[in-house]
This record gives sequence, C-alpha cells and structure tokens, in this order.
Amino acid sequence: SQKIEQNSEALNIQEGKTATLTCNYTNYSPAYLQWYRQDPGRGPVFLLLIRENEKEKRKERLKVTFDTTLKQSLFHITASQPADSATYLCALEGPRGTSGTYKYIFGTGTRLKVLA
Amino acid sequence: EAEVAQSPRYKITEKSQAVAFWCDPISGHATLYWYRQILGQGPELLVQFQDESVVDDSQLPKDRFSAERLKGVDSTLKIQPAELGDSAMYLCASSLGLEIDTQYFGPGTRLTVL
Repeated sequence: SQKIEQNSEALNIQEGKTATLTCNYTNYSPAYLQWYRQDPGRGPVFLLLIRENEKEKRKERLKVTFDTTLKQSLFHITASQPADSATYLCALEGPRGTSGTYKYIFGTGTRLKVLA
Repeated sequence: EAEVAQSPRYKITEKSQAVAFWCDPISGHATLYWYRQILGQGPELLVQFQDESVVDDSQLPKDRFSAERLKGVDSTLKIQPAELGDSAMYLCASSLGLEIDTQYFGPGTRLTVL
C-alpha cells in the first residue's frame, strides 16, 4: 500500500529564510499531489496541487516540485514569516474505490516554526 | 466564502456512551468525507460519500461507527459505544467530486473520551 513520509521533527527557521519541506512516497506515482496547511485545532486548508506532468508549481511565496523518479515532492516557502508557522501536510491520490471514486492519503505533516 | 460547518466543536464523553457529530458541506459539493486525526498524525479517511451513497468505508470500524447522509446534503457520524482510543479530532470535508479535486475541511470536532 502507498506510504507517505514527511519529516516528523519540527522545522525551525529564521524569518526571511526559505523553508523546504519534503514529502516522499513509496509505491506507485500518483497522478497529482496536494499540499495543505493546518493550524492547531483547525481543519487543513488547501494550498497547492501539482500534476505528475508538472515539474514545478508556484503561488505567491509558495513553490512545489514533483519528481516522479525520486518519488518526492518538495514544498518551499520563500521569505518566510512567523505567520507561516503551522503544520504542512501532503496528500496523494489514493487507490480508486470499487465505484471508481477517488480518495486521498495524507502524510503525518511537518510542523514549521518561523522565528522572528 | 462558503465553509464546511461542523458541530459540536468539542465533545467530552465517558466510555461506553454514544456520541454524534454533524457536518454541513459546502452547497453543491457532491462528495463528503469524514476523517479521524490523532494528535501528531495526518487525517485518516473513515468514510466517503458520493451524494447519499457510501463509496468507501473500508477504514470505518463498523462495529461501533456509523455514518449517514440521507438526502445527500448534511451528514452525521455516530460512535456507539465510545472507547478511550476514539479520542481524536474528527474532520469533515467536502469537494465537488471531480477527477482532480480539492477538499474543503470544516473546523473539526475534538472528541475526548474519559
């Protein structure tokens, strides 16, 4: 079955630096991959989606890469701010259900803390 | 901006009691998901609805958990009886049900079983 690995240890970086978070998967390459942000006690919020034929996707200070050879996605936040402190989850397209519907498998998330 | 609503936000119960959670998805969203998230872990899918039909409940502990979405709109997740290990955040999400889709999550219900 598909396994997703994200750094379980928290990542602390200084304000203004670039944060890089890693998402590795072990089995089949999904058609697309998503990144979500989750604040304590809140539900995840969608940030970016990248398809398997896209090498890179950008949105403001966020950048996601997707390497199907390495089975890895990297999530970058440039010019990081204390407000970026949160847990970041990657989610992969999971195996289709018997009815052909799609479901998602989430990683454990990486907690990012941006220090002022 | 439309949001997924969940209630209650917090629930404390004793083991062996019954609990129920409610979710109202974004209007027009055909797909509804219930997830369980244990502290420090990612959300784990419990059940997925397409309109009023269950399309995936492979991870739902069916001896104690049940879920319904009778009119294809709002949904209820029930646990009876609750066990200590059920303490977690229960998240509801909805999406349009497209092939490449984005899920919109509600604020969650934090369940504590004593």
